[in-house]
Amino acid sequence: NAGVTQTPKFQVLKTGQSMTLQCAQDMNHEYMSWYRQDPGMGLRLIHYSVGAGITDQGEVPNGYNVSRSTTEDFPLRLLSAAPSQTSVYFCASSWRGSQPQHFGDGTRLSIL
Amino acid sequence: DQQVKQNSPSLSVQEGRISILNCDYTNSMFDYFLWYKKYPAEGPTFLISISSIKDKNEDGRFTVFLNKSAKHLSLHIVPSQPGDSAVYFCAASAWSGGSNYKLTFGKGTLLTVNP
Repeated sequence: NAGVTQTPKFQVLKTGQSMTLQCAQDMNHEYMSWYRQDPGMGLRLIHYSVGAGITDQGEVPNGYNVSRSTTEDFPLRLLSAAPSQTSVYFCASSWRGSQPQHFGDGTRLSIL
Repeated sequence: DQQVKQNSPSLSVQEGRISILNCDYTNSMFDYFLWYKKYPAEGPTFLISISSIKDKNEDGRFTVFLNKSAKHLSLHIVPSQPGDSAVYFCAASAWSGGSNYKLTFGKGTLLTVNP
């Protein structure tokens, strides 16, 4: 049972490049979410999904797209990377949004 | 506007003593509160939670207290152990219709337990 798996663990991009951060969970959780963690800022919600085919915006959605075609996967897309998107990104999942979430180990993204 | 505040960026305690981590919130719609623990280079792990209908929840060495009138919660760790050294995040959840819940995190408190 792998839990929540995020790939890649590290990535360096140039400004303007696009990229997809992958997130997969094997716990059959309905609720999945993406957060970013910046120094001194805690974790901030980017997008979340309450089930396959349903997504919604969080606190800081600008510059990011998501889709949820299956229960297992919830990729996060940066269409045109900006230096302000340099951060550590965490994916999380839970049975329901009201329950504690399981987090992946994060993707450290640097944009030059 | 920060809705969940952890005003102490760091806390240092001696092994065996009590650690008390504090958290304040401003949104009265929050009805579920959680504490997460995070080690470097790892994702946060769930520690303990409390519903707004309770004022205390215990799990082994960890106890969370909720004071709704003061919009304040605290995490007590007794006795503290060196392995407890980590960043602790307070988080609060509000229902926003249907199955939608959004989790709001504080900035975290770095706890160091000295042997």
